[in-house]
Amino acid sequence: SQTIHQWPATLVQPVGSPLSLECTVEGTSNPNLYWYRQAAGRGLQLLFYSVGIGQISSEVPQNLSASRPQDRQFILSSKKLLLSDSGFYLCAWNLWEETQYFGPGTRLLVL
Amino acid sequence: DAKTTQPPSMDCAEGRAANLPCNHSTISGNEYVYWYRQIHSQGPQYIIHGLKNNETNEMASLIITEDRKSSTLILPHATLRDTAVYYCIVKRYGNKLVFGAGTILRVKS
Repeated sequence: SQTIHQWPATLVQPVGSPLSLECTVEGTSNPNLYWYRQAAGRGLQLLFYSVGIGQISSEVPQNLSASRPQDRQFILSSKKLLLSDSGFYLCAWNLWEETQYFGPGTRLLVL
Repeated sequence: DAKTTQPPSMDCAEGRAANLPCNHSTISGNEYVYWYRQIHSQGPQYIIHGLKNNETNEMASLIITEDRKSSTLILPHATLRDTAVYYCIVKRYGNKLVFGAGTILRVKS
């Protein structure tokens, strides 16, 4: 069966510091991969999605970037974190355009 | 994708059926109705989806009206662990998921 992992689970970072969040999927090949953010008390917002290695689409302009160095690995990065980058970051996957499945999330607090 | 309307919150007694409504009056013929839930501090969990017919799985039942303008998610025997935010999402095959505010379901003993 397929599983999706995210790490770290929780992260506290100072403003201006870099960020790297990782997401990996097991048990499938060529998945579509997604990064969402959920600000406190808000809904989920799609940030990036990828249909293949090196293929990244950005949904909203922001301080973050995404990369997909391997088929089942999706990385969310920032060179300099802002206070507004705080939130709950969720990775998701699916095959073709079928049901999306979400990971456990990373809670980021920027101070 | 069509917009959905859900009540902001609902209460349900433990052991009773929880019926969560969703209005999607502008849904088009090729749009699916998806339900996810998010338990506090966890990632969203897929529950069920449907196009026209009613659907049932081990978690829930989805009842879609004949005109497809509304639907109801039914948790047949709600437990305290079903307390969560429930999202009703309408999306066309190939489009991205767009989450709204959802319904906060509180299951009480």
